[in-house]
Amino acid sequence: GAVVSQHPSWVICKSGTSVKIECRSLDFQATTMFWYRQFPKQSLMLMATSNEGSKATYEQGVEKDKFLINHASLTLSTLTVTSAHPEDSSFYICSASVGGPGETQYFGPGTRLLVL
Amino acid sequence: AQSVTQLGSHVSVSEGALVLLRCNYSSSVPPYLFWYVQYPNQGLQLLLKYTSAATLVKGINGFEAEFKKSETSFHLTKPSAHMSDAAEYFCAVTAGANSKLTFGKGITLSVRP
Repeated sequence: GAVVSQHPSWVICKSGTSVKIECRSLDFQATTMFWYRQFPKQSLMLMATSNEGSKATYEQGVEKDKFLINHASLTLSTLTVTSAHPEDSSFYICSASVGGPGETQYFGPGTRLLVL
Repeated sequence: AQSVTQLGSHVSVSEGALVLLRCNYSSSVPPYLFWYVQYPNQGLQLLLKYTSAATLVKGINGFEAEFKKSETSFHLTKPSAHMSDAAEYFCAVTAGANSKLTFGKGITLSVRP
């Protein structure tokens, strides 16, 4: 149980285009989903927290107009990187939780984005 | 606010040897503590979780961790390392009504044949 999928696993795009990454909880309803960014050999950096049906809460320094997050249902959240640039190249990981204090976050396998 | 400290960036052990990965936390309220493992180019997998039910927590793959409030520690151990344990290990904390995780910087575990 508690499986989270991400699609695509790899994406290469040209600078200036937009890329959408999907995060799905396959066997549970995720009230809360999180989006992280991870640079090589580093820890995870939380980008935003999204609750189903409401606007995402972005961490300080994360551009909400560049990283659009939608959490339209209890099993799906999407991250859209708009007008991507090479500096947006990174490993993006989502996690899903039933929500609430201390609840476990279950992580997706990650999406590797390369912007040329 | 809460924080996690994982001292050192790399631990190397021989196959069959004890694994000890250290984690110290800081929290003004009772914490929830987690250990996750990450294999190359993959997401994070939950190893174990402390929720105050028991101070010694057993997880998957033979790992366990002990919560010590007096030392503000939650070290991860495994009696006998296996080659497949080579990975990146992250300690994380959340506390209070906030469900956000705060991660340590991670420790790379290498296992020598």
